[in-house]
Amino acid sequence: EPEVTQTPSHQVTQMGQEVILRCVPISNHLYFYWYRQILGQKVEFLVSFYNNEISEKSEIFDDQFSVERPDGSNFTLKIRSTKLEDSAMYFCASSFGRTGRYNEQFFGPGTRLTVL
Amino acid sequence: GQQVMQIPQYQHVQEGEDFTTYCNSSTTLSNIQWYKQRPGGHPVFLIQLVKSGEVKKQKRLTFQFGEAKKNSSLHITATQTTDVGTYFCAILSGGYQKVTFGTGTKLQVIP
Repeated sequence: EPEVTQTPSHQVTQMGQEVILRCVPISNHLYFYWYRQILGQKVEFLVSFYNNEISEKSEIFDDQFSVERPDGSNFTLKIRSTKLEDSAMYFCASSFGRTGRYNEQFFGPGTRLTVL
Repeated sequence: GQQVMQIPQYQHVQEGEDFTTYCNSSTTLSNIQWYKQRPGGHPVFLIQLVKSGEVKKQKRLTFQFGEAKKNSSLHITATQTTDVGTYFCAILSGGYQKVTFGTGTKLQVIP
């Protein structure tokens, strides 16, 4: 069964450093998303991406964050200057569509980001 | 934006007992989704409800959407240890592209 993959599974970085989290969505999906989950808390929406542009973003997704689909398969989340509070599990998700039975979002296994 | 609250926050049950988690909103919802997250895992979509009073079943799981579309519930009959995890209700919004998760109910099943 097709699945979303993410690399790395765990990233440790120093405060102020840039990190890039990588995701390979399911191949025929058109909508891509990033979420984060601080340990023990709920999952929070960051951004959605469609047709090579951001279609929705949350207040968490400030100028320090950016997303890119550099080729036909990868979807990346960049954090330019990491802060301690960026430490969380970051989930990538994808969906084929956005309405009806096509809007089911499939989540990847996550990247645990630890900022020291 | 729309928010949903879940109760209880935690639930411990003996294996074989039933379990119910409730999701409430102060505003009318166009839809409600349910996800399961195993310990250390990622959210997995379970179901979406859109109609007032809708009831859907998946084996031992029963999902309901309230008549006023302001609340929803997930009921598990005869829990098993494989049911352990956190159950989140969620709203699909923002042009159906943003999933807003509830606070979650963490279920522990005691064998």
